[in-house]
Amino acid sequence: SAVISQKPSRDICQRGTSLTIQCQVDSQVTMMFWYRQQPGQSLTLIATANQGSEATYESGFVIDKFPISRPNLTFSTLTVSNMSPEDSSIYLCSGDLQDTGELFFGEGSRLTVL
Amino acid sequence: AQKVTQAQTEISVVEKEDVTLDCVYETRDTTYYLFWYKQPPSGELVFLIRRNSFDEQNEISGRYSWNFQKSTSSFNFTITASQVVDSAVYFCALTPTGGFKTIFGAGTRLFVKA
Repeated sequence: SAVISQKPSRDICQRGTSLTIQCQVDSQVTMMFWYRQQPGQSLTLIATANQGSEATYESGFVIDKFPISRPNLTFSTLTVSNMSPEDSSIYLCSGDLQDTGELFFGEGSRLTVL
Repeated sequence: AQKVTQAQTEISVVEKEDVTLDCVYETRDTTYYLFWYKQPPSGELVFLIRRNSFDEQNEISGRYSWNFQKSTSSFNFTITASQVVDSAVYFCALTPTGGFKTIFGAGTRLFVKA
């Protein structure tokens, strides 16, 4: 298995500001994924991030709101831009273990927007 | 289209009771993976099991067991002699083999009372 270190673990932010979440993997991973989990809800895929190419966004999510970087095979960031209270969620990054479809997750970043 | 249904929103049991969490899936793919993940109150996602669609053998791991029935598209999870530490949200998930987009069910919140 692999370990993903995700930070910040939680933050309280003001409306209109932006926050960048970082994920560091202890091994090289081809694909990384960013999920959002709104309170009491399931996980929704935001985008898939491959190294060296632009992220692929799911319906309902756009690059201007959730810009993603993937500079190498062990690191990725997600920025939540121009935040509003509706962005209050847990954001999780994950990696695809050995291309099996099995995902391993970071600890999650619990974001509260006031 | 891919879909994972966890019809049980919340289940409450008393410690030492057995409990079964239901999962029904839909997919047109002939090969796929099924997963169960646990999300304790702390928020991180913990991988429990992966099952390949070709392998219908049931699996037991300590107090946990899984019943995969392809004929009914179900992948149910049973906890025997439940404990308070089993209290969590449990997600069933589906990934097509060779694909990367994992679909999560809505989750079942399990409360185990002492």
